Amino acid sequence: DAGVTQSPTHLIKTRGQQVTLRCSPISGHKSVSWYQQVLGQGPQFIFQYYEKEERGRGNFPDRFSARQFPNYSSELNVNALLLGDSALYLCASSLGADSYEQYFGPGTRLTVT
Amino acid sequence: GQSLEQPSEVTAVEGAIVQINCTYQTSGFYGLSWYQQHDGGAPTFLSYNGLDGLEETGRFSSFLSRSDSYGYLLLQELQMKDSASYFCAVRDLTGGFKTIFGAGTRLFVKA
Repeated sequence: DAGVTQSPTHLIKTRGQQVTLRCSPISGHKSVSWYQQVLGQGPQFIFQYYEKEERGRGNFPDRFSARQFPNYSSELNVNALLLGDSALYLCASSLGADSYEQYFGPGTRLTVT
Repeated sequence: GQSLEQPSEVTAVEGAIVQINCTYQTSGFYGLSWYQQHDGGAPTFLSYNGLDGLEETGRFSSFLSRSDSYGYLLLQELQMKDSASYFCAVRDLTGGFKTIFGAGTRLFVKA
């Protein structure tokens, strides 16, 4: 079975631009979470979606938004990019909203110049 | 607020046993997980404790004491491939479903 997939793998954007990152969960998983990981730090929770509804939100500005589609795939959008948004963005899927075991995708490396 | 503390680095020799501690502070605690991440890779799930006590999975064991807001990951029979970063993560139900990760412990296994 395919694992969690994310696209694109790498992305370079300019300050002020907008970016959309995509995630496909493992088949049968209905929950998707998004994380931001800066080098040398742990993943920082951004959002969790379950059954197309937002179930949890971390301490990120409103420039960050996400949605989940009927097929349970998800998009993370970041507007008005700042240099500090440069990071690895990880998507994790799990069976349900309260599932403790999360399966991470390979991530999207975003560089903002 | 929510916070987790774990040592930044641990070094051990092949075949030894190492313990990585994690203390947490959160208002809506719902369980403690451990993840492993190799350089350039994605985090992978290792273990979960929802209740007090020890959980064993092969060479890895994890312990939780909710009254002490403390847990640890125990790695036995260390192998070179265990060199990686290890993260504790708490599940917090305050204001929705959240998973809060610690800053990670870098484990170096020497021959």
